[in-house]
Formats: sequence, C-alpha cells, structure tokens
Amino acid sequence: EPEVTQTPSHQVTQMGQEVILRCVPISNHLYFYWYRQILGQKVEFLVSFYNNEISEKSEIFDDQFSVERPDGSNFTLKIRSTKLEDSAMYFCASRQGGEKLFFGSGTQLSVL
Amino acid sequence: GDSVTQMEGPVTLSEEAFLTINCTYTATGYPSLFWYVQYPGEGLQLLLKATKADDKGSNKGFEATYRKETTSFHLEKGSVQVSDSAVYFCALSERSGGSNYKLTFGKGTLLTVNP
Repeated sequence: EPEVTQTPSHQVTQMGQEVILRCVPISNHLYFYWYRQILGQKVEFLVSFYNNEISEKSEIFDDQFSVERPDGSNFTLKIRSTKLEDSAMYFCASRQGGEKLFFGSGTQLSVL
Repeated sequence: GDSVTQMEGPVTLSEEAFLTINCTYTATGYPSLFWYVQYPGEGLQLLLKATKADDKGSNKGFEATYRKETTSFHLEKGSVQVSDSAVYFCALSERSGGSNYKLTFGKGTLLTVNP
C-alpha cells in the first residue's frame, strides 16, 4: 500500500532555532495535514492544506508556523523559532478526497 | 468544539482475553467515527469506521458500534493476540464547509498483550 513518508524520524534542536519537518504525501492525494501529539496529550490538529493554500488552521498554528508544498511532492512544516513547548511528535497526513487519512510515522521533535 | 474522550491506559491483557476500550464524544453535528491504530514505529492506520448512528465498523476481529444515544464508540475484540499490541486512537470527523475536513482525536490508549 502507498505510504506517507516523514523525515527525519527524530530531530533535536536548540530553543530559538528554526526547524523544517518534511513529508512526502501519497502521490495522487489532494489534501494534506499536520498534527502533533505532546507526550501524554491528545493528537492535535495543526493545519490543513489544499490547492496550494491553507484551508484551515488551529489556534496552535500561529505566526511561528508555516507550511509549504515547494515542488509538488514534498509538504513541509517550518517552525521559525522553536520553543520548549514545541517538543512533540509531529504527524503528516494526506487523503485523496474521501474520509480516510493516511498518516506518516511521525517526527519526534525535541527542543532543548 | 467537538471532542473525544477515551479510556486512559495503559491496558495490559493476556492473549485471548476480551478487550474493551471506551470512547465517548461530543459533537454538534453528525460526525463519522473512527478507530486508528499505531503499531510501534509506524504511522496511524485506519482500523475501522462508522458513518452514522447504529452502524457497526469491523476489521481484523475488532468491532465498534456508533451509539448516538450514549455518544459512544467503544472498541471491542473477543480474543486479543500479541500482535494487537499498539496504541489505539478514537477520532471523529468534522466538516466545516467546502473542502475543510479534519479529524479530532482522543489521547490514545496503549494496549500490551502478553503471551
């Protein structure tokens, strides 16, 4: 079955540094998502992306966050200036048009 | 807003035991309900879903029934296997107009099945 691929699987960064989390969604999918899960908490929606623009974002997704689909295959999440509270598992997901989301295996971000 | 509450884990069972993981939801509309599973080192995978009241979703021996009167979608399996060890997430869908569609998840329940 096709997969959503996320890289890296682990990322360690210093507070205040910029990080870019990378995702390759399934090739014929149209809708793209980022979710995150802080340890011990719920999986939280961050942002959805369709037709080369953000279709919805949560309160968490402030000006420090941005998403991009730079080349038609990658889908990236950038955090401009990381904070300690950004430490979490970040999941990328995509869907073709129905209700089923396909998730990547996640990037564990640790901000020190 | 919409929300999902699921049973706190971890849950530890012996092989062939009966499994129930409780999930309740709060929603203003008529969401679809889902169970996703995450095996170690992998992404979340759709396990089963139900799209309207009284629907039963089933897959790999797991079942869940969409109960509107109790706003619940409890996951059950009659006889668990070691290979069922994973984190299980209950979720509901929200449509907010046009192409806007997202899932709202619970915290996840870690299941460990011992031989």
